Amino acid sequence: EIVLTQSPGTLSLSPGERATLSCRASQYVSNNYLAWYQQRPGQAPRVLIYGVSSRATGIPDRFSGSGSGADFTLTINGLAPEDSAVYYCQQYASSVFTFGPGTKVVIK
Amino acid sequence: QLQLQESGPGVVKPSESLSLTCSVSGGPIRTSSYYWGWIRQAPGKGLEWIGNIYYDGSAYYNPSLKSRVTISIDTSRSQFSLRLISMTAADAAIYYCARRYGAYVGEEYYMDVWGKGITITVSS
Repeated sequence: EIVLTQSPGTLSLSPGERATLSCRASQYVSNNYLAWYQQRPGQAPRVLIYGVSSRATGIPDRFSGSGSGADFTLTINGLAPEDSAVYYCQQYASSVFTFGPGTKVVIK
Repeated sequence: QLQLQESGPGVVKPSESLSLTCSVSGGPIRTSSYYWGWIRQAPGKGLEWIGNIYYDGSAYYNPSLKSRVTISIDTSRSQFSLRLISMTAADAAIYYCARRYGAYVGEEYYMDVWGKGITITVSS
């Protein structure tokens, strides 16, 4: 089973700043199978990015994804107050989905 | 617009079984383009994938839960269901149903539509 590690655990930034979130896999992950989700407090997760870098419908272009192999990054440019949330990466391999432990983004 | 809605008991006794249903509206459940599935989240914890099912009934599960879980689908009712046996306190969580985009090799695989979740407590 592929294990995902996310860093940092918590990121505290001011509005307008850039957030850089890391997701590292214990093995190679196919680009098609790497996604990012946002979960605001009390809400269900929603997909932000799929296929490493494709934005889901309705997601602002300040969210972007990059990476390959086992290292992936979610970047949020120009943080807004509503971006305060936990962000999870997800991968699929050998018929199993796994999620990372999440990075909490706090807007000061 | 596709919507998913979980339903089931809020409380389950230890050692008993959990049965949840996800009702799909605003779109077809009988489609070759998607899978349907369950994800859970223990209090204050991250997301754990439970399993997926295709419209034809073929299912696959998280290896850590495989011995205790069954997912089924009823396309005539636009519903799919989760059954988890031998519940313990460790199974207390918010259970989400979700649609999985991607059914073929070469497509991206991710959960594109989620239900609001249902909170399950395990208590005698």
